[in-house]
Amino acid sequence: EVQLLESGGGLVQPGGSLRLSCAASGFTFSNYAMHWVRQAPGKGLEWVSVISGSGDKIKYADSVKGRFTISRDNSKNTLLLQMDSLRAEDTAVYFCARARATNEVGSIVNNWGQGTLVTVSS
Amino acid sequence: DIQMTQSPSTLSASVGDSVTITCRASQSFSIWLAWYQQKPGKAPKLLIYKASSLETGVPSRFSGSGSGTEFTLTISSLQPDDFATYFCQQYNNYPWTFGQGTKVEIK
Repeated sequence: EVQLLESGGGLVQPGGSLRLSCAASGFTFSNYAMHWVRQAPGKGLEWVSVISGSGDKIKYADSVKGRFTISRDNSKNTLLLQMDSLRAEDTAVYFCARARATNEVGSIVNNWGQGTLVTVSS
Repeated sequence: DIQMTQSPSTLSASVGDSVTITCRASQSFSIWLAWYQQKPGKAPKLLIYKASSLETGVPSRFSGSGSGTEFTLTISSLQPDDFATYFCQQYNNYPWTFGQGTKVEIK
């Protein structure tokens, strides 16, 4: 069974940093692109970033480009999101999600974690 | 970026009704459109991908259609478990973008 478990969320001041982790199990992690998607309280979904299975292809939403860094450790089956220069508008539940198809960065996602809440406030 | 606009924002219906949600794209693309269901406090659940392909395990009362700039999700014979919020999403190119959501409420 595919399992994705996010951690690392919490309260941080504007301008601060936070690192999110997503522990994956139940599948061959390195074969799948992984995404971060966020949802502000009571709002819709916003795609944040994607990384290919090997880590050589990465894309970001304009809203986080230059501030967030996605990475993965395939030896530890872990997806990471380093978030710097955080703003109030980054407050959201952050979900990690796995691509449906192997080795396709453009594949839709069909497995999601439960999410971790990031609150940016003074 | 491709903007996705869903309608209606809220839909009131009864168990057994057939409902349709529409998603319009600001640019034309082929079939790279997905539909998700989300319940409060939960992660989204993939229902439909490639505009009309039913995800494994999803009941057949859910169906999707469309291409170009207009896509629809139809739920035939609404069940109590179907009252939730539904989002469309284009994955034709990055950045992926979502519709604002349609809340299906009990009438």
